Amino acid sequence: GAVVSQHPSWVICKSGTSVKIECRSLDFQATTMFWYRQFPKQSLMLMATSNEGSKATYEQGVEKDKFLINHASLTLSTLTVTSAHPEDSSFYICSARELAGIYEQYFGPGTRLTVT
Amino acid sequence: RKEVEQDPGPFNVPEGATVAFNCTYSNSASQSFFWYRQDCRKEPKLLMSVYSSGNEDGRFTAQLNRASQYISLLIRDSKLSDSATYLCAVNINSNYQLIWGAGTKLIIKP
Repeated sequence: GAVVSQHPSWVICKSGTSVKIECRSLDFQATTMFWYRQFPKQSLMLMATSNEGSKATYEQGVEKDKFLINHASLTLSTLTVTSAHPEDSSFYICSARELAGIYEQYFGPGTRLTVT
Repeated sequence: RKEVEQDPGPFNVPEGATVAFNCTYSNSASQSFFWYRQDCRKEPKLLMSVYSSGNEDGRFTAQLNRASQYISLLIRDSKLSDSATYLCAVNINSNYQLIWGAGTKLIIKP
């Protein structure tokens, strides 16, 4: 149980283009989904918290107009990196939480984004 | 002071040995605690939740010390496959967000 998928697993795009990453909870309904970014040899950095049907809450320093998050259903959240730049190249990982009162987060396999 | 701190390591440990590492947290209101394992270029995977009474899962034992504000992870009879980075995570608010340590790298050597 508690399986989270993420697509694509890797993507290479040109500077200035947009990339959409999907995160799905496969066998449970995800009340909350989280988007993280991780640079090599660094820890997870929370970008935003996404609750189904409401606007995402972004962490300080994360541009909401650049990283668009949509959580349209209890099993799907998307992150769109708009006008990507090489410095946006990173490992993007989503996680999901099920049920009220449960704090464990289950992670998708991540998306490795390279912007050229 | 960071909210959640871990010794980055690496811990180089011979196969079969016992290894332990701690994770300290600064917020005394922290509610839930977890250990995750992350392999190189992979996503974190939940290893175990940490309960007040301590808990054990096979070769792994996790403990919580609220008075000193740290959690610990003990790995007995370590295997080569235990080599990974171990992340601790702490929940401190009702938003269900987890605050993450930077991870402790463990290398098990044959």
